[in-house]
Amino acid sequence: QQPVQSPQAVILREGEDAVINCSSSKALYSVHWYRQKHGEAPVFLMILLKGGEQKGHEKISASFNEKKQQSSLYLTASQLSYSGTYFCGTDYSGAGSYQLTFGKGTKLSVIP
Amino acid sequence: GAGVSQSPRYKVAKRGQDVALRCDPISGHVSLFWYQQALGQGPEFLTYFQNEAQLDKSGLPSDRFFAERPEGSVSTLKIQRTQQEDSAVYLCASSFTMGVGIEQFFGPGTRLTVL
Repeated sequence: QQPVQSPQAVILREGEDAVINCSSSKALYSVHWYRQKHGEAPVFLMILLKGGEQKGHEKISASFNEKKQQSSLYLTASQLSYSGTYFCGTDYSGAGSYQLTFGKGTKLSVIP
Repeated sequence: GAGVSQSPRYKVAKRGQDVALRCDPISGHVSLFWYQQALGQGPEFLTYFQNEAQLDKSGLPSDRFFAERPEGSVSTLKIQRTQQEDSAVYLCASSFTMGVGIEQFFGPGTRLTVL
């Protein structure tokens, strides 16, 4: 079951903040966040694990609410380079193949 | 290079042709994944390898799709008798081990267009 991302799209001016949400109807073991620019590979941003551990970049933060099965990605003081489509990938297995189930993405545009 | 590479980057096939897409994972990475990404959508899982063993192929959409990784490094995704609905970007990802919370590193993808 595909996680639901919101908003679908957002436009920011440089320096503004944004929050991208990812919700699941099933229990999650981990949530992975990626940014993809047009025609390029998805780039790893952050992983949040059940239990609270986080791995990722210093300038990007995220949260994982296990009770609500939700994750939020916080982008602060946005830069032009933040533009792209953000995907959350959810790991439902906890074991096995560790495949990720991705949301439909949130398109972020940062303008001067 | 240090990243995941894929070839070709673009492939145009006539309906009914067979195609082969190649993935070179990061050296030493044990796990390899194939995903299909339709326009405007997130990647969708196709199959997973741990070394040379294909442990999960539940996402392959039909028996026309076949993947292999015979020596545990390079992988090939083959699509037989291509159909228009196969048009998509095919992404390969690798990770250094298997487990919960292990980063997957993606390649740039192969954009397949079936005419």
